[in-house]
Amino acid sequence: GQNIDQPTEMTATEGAIVQINCTYQTSGFNGLFWYQQHAGEAPTFLSYNVLDGLEEKGRFSSFLSRSKGYSYLLLKELQMKDSASYLCAVLDSNYQLIWGAGTKLIIKP
Amino acid sequence: ETGVTQSPTHLIKTRGQQVTLRCSSQSGHNTVSWYQQALGQGPQFIFQYYREEENGRGNFPPRFSGLQFPNYSSELNVNALELDDSALYLCASSLGAENTGELFFGEGSRLTVL
Repeated sequence: GQNIDQPTEMTATEGAIVQINCTYQTSGFNGLFWYQQHAGEAPTFLSYNVLDGLEEKGRFSSFLSRSKGYSYLLLKELQMKDSASYLCAVLDSNYQLIWGAGTKLIIKP
Repeated sequence: ETGVTQSPTHLIKTRGQQVTLRCSSQSGHNTVSWYQQALGQGPQFIFQYYREEENGRGNFPPRFSGLQFPNYSSELNVNALELDDSALYLCASSLGAENTGELFFGEGSRLTVL
């Protein structure tokens, strides 16, 4: 079967750095996405990795290791507005997105 | 450039009824995909339409059906509603059938089945 694993919940302090991990086992791989979803809202795109390595975009960075079936999302200089769920999703061999259950990130002052 | 819009935003149905959810894709996008998101879970892929043809389907029974219109808007129909169908239904539009680009999501339709 296909499986995406990420922690259910994480807590971090405003101004700090947090790393959200995602491991996957899917039938094929055509890229990995990270989306942010605030409570009661639609998911919004953060990043897309298809090659190994680190992609940096402002305060957010995403890393991929295809051989390990592993990715992480790194959030720096945390702000209260970063409190949200972070969804990891993998594009499988049929170009269908397989989603993780999401990691709820709680930011404390 | 208009974003993805969905209607209705909230609705309540009873078991056995039928429901139709609607989605207008972002201007210029020819692909629409539908997802079911239960509370506290990630989205589950239902199906995808590319240029009016279904080109991918997740593990959902046939009572979940849909279509895409020439203007690329789309409908999701669910027959014989069950209690477990209660969820947020998200529509996403994109350009191209292979989903290698960003998905743009609507705000969703929250369905409650009693």
